[in-house]
Amino acid sequence: DQQVKQNSPSLSVQEGRISILNCDYTNSMFDYFLWYKKYPAEGPTFLISISSIKDKNEDGRFTVFLNKSAKHLSLHIVPSQPGDSAVYFCAAFLGGAQKLVFGQGTRLTINP
Amino acid sequence: DTGVSQDPRHKITKRGQNVTFRCDPISEHNRLYWYRQTLGQGPEFLTYFQNEAQLEKSRLLSDRFSAERPKGSFSTLEIQRTEQGDSAMYLCASSMSETQYFGPGTRLLVL
Repeated sequence: DQQVKQNSPSLSVQEGRISILNCDYTNSMFDYFLWYKKYPAEGPTFLISISSIKDKNEDGRFTVFLNKSAKHLSLHIVPSQPGDSAVYFCAAFLGGAQKLVFGQGTRLTINP
Repeated sequence: DTGVSQDPRHKITKRGQNVTFRCDPISEHNRLYWYRQTLGQGPEFLTYFQNEAQLEKSRLLSDRFSAERPKGSFSTLEIQRTEQGDSAMYLCASSMSETQYFGPGTRLLVL
């Protein structure tokens, strides 16, 4: 039962353009959402988060959008840079159990 | 600013052996988590501590797995009688709130 899904295993974007990574969830009890970036052989690095009471949060080049009615969130990176090439994980926080539920990840490749 | 550290970074063991991993969280964080990640998947929750109390355990944590956080600071994860299916990256995270900060992980290979 995959409660958090990232349906695109990979995404390729040209340097300078916008990267849009998508995530869907099924559990309406999730109250906080996070995006992590992961390089090979390293742990996930926190990027940006959003509370379920908001619909947008912005931090520099990164913006996360939340559509609660559609149970969908997205991460926008603009402009995309070569250093953004990594695997991106969407995660949802379940407050009762104090745990993160992760999607399967999307591998983003930024082409020069 | 010291982040979450884990030791060892890599472990190769033979099936049936016991292994123990250590995690040192960010010093002011009272919450500590263990996750497991296999190839092509996102991290999966294993267990959660608030201070020294283990408050949540996943059904993924079989009887062969045990975790401790004896003084509410560092934590250990032990796997007894390892099996090939235990091969994975074991990640530790700590937090003071919803945002969890991860260590570099321990990659376990069971031969």
